[in-house]
Amino acid sequence: GNSVTQMEGPVTLSEEAFLTINCTYTATGYPSLFWYVQYPGEGLQLLLKATKADDKGSNKGFEATYRKETTSFHLEKGSVQVSDSAVYFCALSEGYNQGGKLIFGQGTELSVKP
Amino acid sequence: DAGVIQSPRHEVTEMGQEVTLRCKPISGHNSLFWYRQTMMRGLELLIYFNNNVPIDDSGMPEDRFSAKMPNASFSTLKIQPSEPRDSAVYFCASSSWLAGGMAGELFFGEGSRLTVL
Repeated sequence: GNSVTQMEGPVTLSEEAFLTINCTYTATGYPSLFWYVQYPGEGLQLLLKATKADDKGSNKGFEATYRKETTSFHLEKGSVQVSDSAVYFCALSEGYNQGGKLIFGQGTELSVKP
Repeated sequence: DAGVIQSPRHEVTEMGQEVTLRCKPISGHNSLFWYRQTMMRGLELLIYFNNNVPIDDSGMPEDRFSAKMPNASFSTLKIQPSEPRDSAVYFCASSSWLAGGMAGELFFGEGSRLTVL
C-alpha cells in the first residue's frame, strides 16, 4: 500500500540555520504531496503542497519539490526561526475520488534554539 | 469564519465507560475525517465520510469504535467500552472536493485529548 517515510526526530537547530527534513513516499498512480505543521497543543495545518512531478510548493520561507524520479518531497528552509519549532508531517493523497484521504508520515519534531 | 470545532478538548474517564467525541466541520465541506494520534503509532486515519456517507472505516481498530455523521454539520466518534490503550488525541478534519475529483486542503480541529484510566 501507499506509505510515507520521514527522517526521525527530534531535529535541533540554532536560529538562522538551514533546515532539511527528508520525506520519501511509496505510491501507485500520481499522488499529491503535502507538508503539514503542528504547533504545540494545536491541530495540523497545511504548510505547502505540490500536485504533480517537478512542482515546487512554498510558504513562509519553506519549500519542497515533488521529485518523481527519487519519490521524494524534502522540506527545506534557508534560515529557521525559534517560531518554526513544531512537528512537521509529510503526507500524500491517494489520488482522485479518494475524498481527500491523506496518508501521513510519522512526523519530525523540530526544535530551534535562540 | 469558524474552523473545525471539536468537543470536548479534554476527557478523562475510567476504563469501561462510554466516550463520545463530537465534531462540527467547516460549513460547505463535504468530506470529514477522524484521525487518532499517539506517540507510538503517529497519526492514524480511523474513518472518513463523503457527503455524510462512511467511505472507508478500515482504520477503526475494533467494534468498540463507531462513528456517525447524521448530517453535514455534525459527526460523532464513540468508544464503548473504553480501554486505557484508547488514550490518544483524536482529531477531526474536513475538506471539500475540487473539480475533477481532487480533494482540497484538510482543515483540522484542535483535537480531543482522551485519557482512559
